[in-house]
Amino acid sequence: KAGVTQTPRYLIKTRGQQVTLSCSPISGHRSVSWYQQTPGQGLQFLFEYFSETQRNKGNFPGRFSGRQFSNSRSEMNVSTLELGDSALYLCASSLGGLSARTDTQYFGPGTRLTVL
Amino acid sequence: AQRVTQPEKLLSVFKGAPVELKCNYSYSGSPELFWYVQYSRQRLQLLLRHISRESIKGFTADLNKGETSFHLKKPFAQEEDSAMYYCALLLEDSNYQLIWGAGTKLIIKP
Repeated sequence: KAGVTQTPRYLIKTRGQQVTLSCSPISGHRSVSWYQQTPGQGLQFLFEYFSETQRNKGNFPGRFSGRQFSNSRSEMNVSTLELGDSALYLCASSLGGLSARTDTQYFGPGTRLTVL
Repeated sequence: AQRVTQPEKLLSVFKGAPVELKCNYSYSGSPELFWYVQYSRQRLQLLLRHISRESIKGFTADLNKGETSFHLKKPFAQEEDSAMYYCALLLEDSNYQLIWGAGTKLIIKP
């Protein structure tokens, strides 16, 4: 079974631009969660999508948004990029999502975003 | 506020010695806790969750509600245990989210 894939793996943008990251979950998984990882703040939950609906959300500004398609692939968009958005963005997929206590999240390799 | 604290950024022990990675949490609800591990050049992966009460790769973790802790333990460390370990807390209300500790880098010396 293919694992979670994320594209692109590396991205360089300038302040003010916007960016779209993509995550393809494991086949059959309906939940995709997104996380931001930075040296200063560590791992932080962004949001979770399940069956094309945002089900849960972390404490990030509205510049961070996402969506999920009918094939469960998910995209995350960051508008008006700031220097502080430089981070590793991870996505994870699972069958039932965060509310399914015995579910396991499988992580992708991440997209490294650098904002100049 | 909900919080997960891993007090040690780095823990270095000799092979064969016991290992304890500390995790403390702050949460008013019923805690659902996890340990995740990231080996060098590999993806983040679930190691164990408290609800399963399982032992994975010789590691165990017991939830102590009185001390609000969920420490990860292994009696005899092996070199392949060297990795980054993260403790995570699942917040459960109308909005589920995972809160993460800062992580502990475990180095097993030969």
